[in-house]
Amino acid sequence: SSELTQDPAVSVALGQRVTITCQGDSLRTYYPSWYQQKPGQAPKVVLYGGNNRPSGTPGRFSGSTSGDTASLTITGAQAEDEADYYCGSRDTSGTHGYVIFGGGTKLTV
Amino acid sequence: QITLKESGPAMVKPKQTLTLTCSFSEFPMKTSAVGVGWIRQPPGKALEWLALIYLDDEKHYNPSLKSRLSIVKDMSRHQVVLTMTDMEAVDTATYYCAHVPSGWGFVFDSWGPGILVTVSA
Repeated sequence: SSELTQDPAVSVALGQRVTITCQGDSLRTYYPSWYQQKPGQAPKVVLYGGNNRPSGTPGRFSGSTSGDTASLTITGAQAEDEADYYCGSRDTSGTHGYVIFGGGTKLTV
Repeated sequence: QITLKESGPAMVKPKQTLTLTCSFSEFPMKTSAVGVGWIRQPPGKALEWLALIYLDDEKHYNPSLKSRLSIVKDMSRHQVVLTMTDMEAVDTATYYCAHVPSGWGFVFDSWGPGILVTVSA
């Protein structure tokens, strides 16, 4: 099965811009989704379908994809953005669809 | 707002079968593209998707765990049940159920709080 690769950790100064990347073959075919997870909490989707924000996701979160790499960008990072971020994607094996997640990126603000 | 909650045993012994229930509130949309999935997370590790069932009963399983998993739904009771056989210590994890909204693809927009399941003799 395919994989999604993320950098284990990224840091950003308060108010600055940061990009978290996710690489994998499935991203050439399917849009990524991005999940934010804070300690002791369940994950929360912050972006889906590449660059769609669910209600509640601040406008400083944006996404893009190029080739096999997806990016989550936070423009003007806030203290509350400190969390683990996971990318997710659909993939297929024959006619069977399944979900894969990246290994996660710990964002320090 | 959709709410979900996982229930089941906090501990199982090796080789036993784990049965988890996801109980959820009424879904605002009930199309065939709406579903419920299960995801787990070992302590300190990444998310791992397990299974997904749509309201039309279409099912998808993690290929590496497919032989051990079964997912069923009972919409009259607002429940989805996941069964995982032959549990091992490496299956110790927090297990989450989550809602898949119509039109979002394999994306989970609402999650339960999770249930920690420990596999130990």
